Amino acid sequence: QLQLQESGPGLVKPSETLSLTCSVSGASVSSQADFWGWIRQPPGKGLEWIASMSSGGAAFYNPSLSSRVTMSVDTSRNRFSLRLNSVTAADTALYYCARHVAVGRGGECFDVWGQGTVVTASS
Amino acid sequence: DIQMTQSPSSLPASVGDRVTITCRASEDISTRLNWYQQKLGKAPRLLIYAASNLQGGVPSTFSGGGSGTEFTLTISSLQPEDVATYYCQQSYSTPPTFGQGTKLEI
Repeated sequence: QLQLQESGPGLVKPSETLSLTCSVSGASVSSQADFWGWIRQPPGKGLEWIASMSSGGAAFYNPSLSSRVTMSVDTSRNRFSLRLNSVTAADTALYYCARHVAVGRGGECFDVWGQGTVVTASS
Repeated sequence: DIQMTQSPSSLPASVGDRVTITCRASEDISTRLNWYQQKLGKAPRLLIYAASNLQGGVPSTFSGGGSGTEFTLTISSLQPEDVATYYCQQSYSTPPTFGQGTKLEI
């Protein structure tokens, strides 16, 4: 059974870099068919997609964040990571990792999610 | 970006009710629409993909429909465990975008 688990510091100072890792069990991040993604949810608000990436290196970023975001996939450790630099209070959120898969009849969905990790940007 | 608008934002209902949530896209997205359920303090759970396909393990009381710009999520007989916030999400173009959520209350 596929499981994802986020990890990383819960507190980041403004202007510094947020770094999160998602450890994957029950499947390989090397799967050619799958992308792996990050979604965040500010307190009391809705969901915002951040980025998705395949093990082959194809990456897609939300244009609203693309200048500050980098994703990477580590096939040797079966995990993937997110870096968001120059954080501000607006980046305070619950950050989820998820598998981003293609579905029949076109389109994609996030079919398995981690439990999420809270990141607070504050001095 | 494609804007997704859900209605209503909150929905009081009773056990056994038939409940429908609507999601509208700012442009034609064919059937590239997914629905998620988020219970309090939990991660979102995929319910329906490609507008009308039930994800494995999801009760058959849930169904989805629509195409183009208007979509619906229907719960045929509301159960207490269905209390949650429901989100639609389009996968027609990048960035994938979510609706603002519909909070279902009993």
